[in-house]
Amino acid sequence: GENVEQHPSTLSVQEGDSAVIKCTYSDSASNYFPWYKQELGKRPQLIIDIRSNVGEKKDQRIAVTLNKTAKHFSLHITETQPEDSAVYFCAASIPGTYKYIFGTGTRLKVLA
Amino acid sequence: NAGVTQTPKFRVLKTGQSMTLLCAQDMNHEYMYWYRQDPGMGLRLIHYSVGEGTTAKGEVPDGYNVSRLKKQNFLLGLESAAPSQTSVYFCASSWAGGREQYFGPGTRLTVT
Repeated sequence: GENVEQHPSTLSVQEGDSAVIKCTYSDSASNYFPWYKQELGKRPQLIIDIRSNVGEKKDQRIAVTLNKTAKHFSLHITETQPEDSAVYFCAASIPGTYKYIFGTGTRLKVLA
Repeated sequence: NAGVTQTPKFRVLKTGQSMTLLCAQDMNHEYMYWYRQDPGMGLRLIHYSVGEGTTAKGEVPDGYNVSRLKKQNFLLGLESAAPSQTSVYFCASSWAGGREQYFGPGTRLTVT
């Protein structure tokens, strides 16, 4: 069945450094890839998404890249700040349905 | 707009008891979803609905039932709670498949 693998499970960076989280999906027909941020005790919230007809998308300090051939996509956060500390989830759409499969999450800690 | 709301926020059940979790959205979204979140396992889809009067099974439907009698409400029922159903439950909604899902604040359920 469809599967999304996410790495690493935890990531610690110094404030101001960059962070990269990678996800691999199994179904080559997946065409929508959102990233959600979940702060401790809060609900997941969308921070950026990308569709399969685009290779890269940026929004200020956040970017997502997609490699359809290799079936992986990555979240890049530059100039990290303490408020970036959270759990980040990737997801991939399941073709022909209205569903996503989520990755297992990455806990990002930004050290001041 | 309140967005997506969930009732209750917390609940403790004894094994074998039943309960219903209520999700409500005021964004006129067609699609609604119920997820459970367990440590290290990300968000797993329990059931979903693509419109009023419709429901479908997700990845982990066993032990749960759902109903969507009104477009704005999506109910998740546990007929006979088990300790394995201890989890945080999130409801989400979207206006279409392959679009941003908006999450509720979550319900923390403990089954003893």
